[in-house]
Amino acid sequence: QVQLVESGGGVVQPGRSLSLSCAASGFSFTTYGMHWVRQAPGKGLEWVAVISFDGNYRFYADSVKGRFTISRDTSNNTLYLQMNSLRPEDTAVYYCARWGNGLDVWGQGTTVTVSS
Amino acid sequence: DIVMTQSPDSLAVSLGERTTINCRSSQSVLHSSNNKNYLVWYQQKPGQPPKLLIYWASTRESGVPDRFSGSGSGTDFTLTISSLQAEDVAVYYCQQYYTTPYTFGQGTKLEIK
Repeated sequence: QVQLVESGGGVVQPGRSLSLSCAASGFSFTTYGMHWVRQAPGKGLEWVAVISFDGNYRFYADSVKGRFTISRDTSNNTLYLQMNSLRPEDTAVYYCARWGNGLDVWGQGTTVTVSS
Repeated sequence: DIVMTQSPDSLAVSLGERTTINCRSSQSVLHSSNNKNYLVWYQQKPGQPPKLLIYWASTRESGVPDRFSGSGSGTDFTLTISSLQAEDVAVYYCQQYYTTPYTFGQGTKLEIK
């Protein structure tokens, strides 16, 4: 079935780095744009980044621009989010999602906690 | 950036009653090239990822019950639940995809009265 599975979350100190992965299965990964969306504890959804189906364009929220990098590997159907210079305000559940007519397939999320 | 503002922040409605949630964008999300509104609605239940309900402001995603409908154009949009069911308790979000960043509204929490 169509599925997205995130991994890589954890507890990290401010200023450190973390890399998230999102394994896609059950659909043609190379034909969809992919997004990261995050949700801080008890808060709403915040769009983080998008990468086009071919990887040729990427856009970021201002809050993560210059610190986070979205990428994709079509050889293993995986989406990535490299997060550098992490801040306490980056603490959230991070979801990867597929863009169909909207964000129509979501993973279950992986939790990132930035704390000393 | 386009700011999305939902109203109300929360509401409590009786089972079987009609529910409306509003979403306003700080600029139009109607694209002149195709006359489509780049606006979607999601439902998020506790402990779950969001679920896509409506795209192009008014097109129901496959499998979504027909009690859910979307309307509006330009900068003002509405999600309507025609007859509230217990399983509709959730937080509802609008999102614009007219331009990056693809901003979300702050969410509307729907409860049973």
